[in-house]
Amino acid sequence: DGGITQSPKYLFRKEGQNVTLSCEQNLNHDAMYWYRQDPGQGLRLIYYSQIVNDFQKGDIAEGYSVSREKKESFPLTVTSAQKNPTAFYLCASSYREFYGYTFGSGTRLTVV
Amino acid sequence: KQEVTQIPAALSVPEGENLVLNCSFTDSAIYNLQWFRQDPGKGLTSLLLIQSSQREQTSGRLNASLDKSSGRSTLYIAASQPGDSATYLCAGPSGGGADGLTFGKGTHLIIQP
Repeated sequence: DGGITQSPKYLFRKEGQNVTLSCEQNLNHDAMYWYRQDPGQGLRLIYYSQIVNDFQKGDIAEGYSVSREKKESFPLTVTSAQKNPTAFYLCASSYREFYGYTFGSGTRLTVV
Repeated sequence: KQEVTQIPAALSVPEGENLVLNCSFTDSAIYNLQWFRQDPGKGLTSLLLIQSSQREQTSGRLNASLDKSSGRSTLYIAASQPGDSATYLCAGPSGGGADGLTFGKGTHLIIQP
């Protein structure tokens, strides 16, 4: 079955450490997105990519970085510059906005 | 830029009731709107995608409507069941040259057995 796979499900980060969240899709979708979800704040867009080797900042890109070397993959790195990284991270993809979005199962990141 | 508001923030009803969840948006140029369900600690599951030309979309006990002129969408759940308990999110294109979706903060629904 086609879908989006996010890994790991849970991730723990020490202060000053960079961590990378994986997102893989087999839907042949062109566009991929990363959202952050915090209690009471809803989902906020971090980065998105509409095509391989190109990506754009979303509303809250500071402290994050991404790459898009393959159509299927869009990893997110949470850097030490992100001061409050504890959150639930969701990856999404879309063939065209007209056809809607598909989301992964999420990664919960906790700073220890 | 698009703003999306969901009312109520939380709702608790007895099993079997029909209920309506509300979603309002500011950009009337919206071309579609998507409703999602989120269970605790899980990702988003798409329920319905309504194109602006459709006005309504149905899936089983769920019916969603879209009225661009009033900036409103509703999700109607018929004959509610305890398994319907979840957070329901609506989202529309961000617009203003930005890609991606703008989400409401969701309605937390509890169906009492």
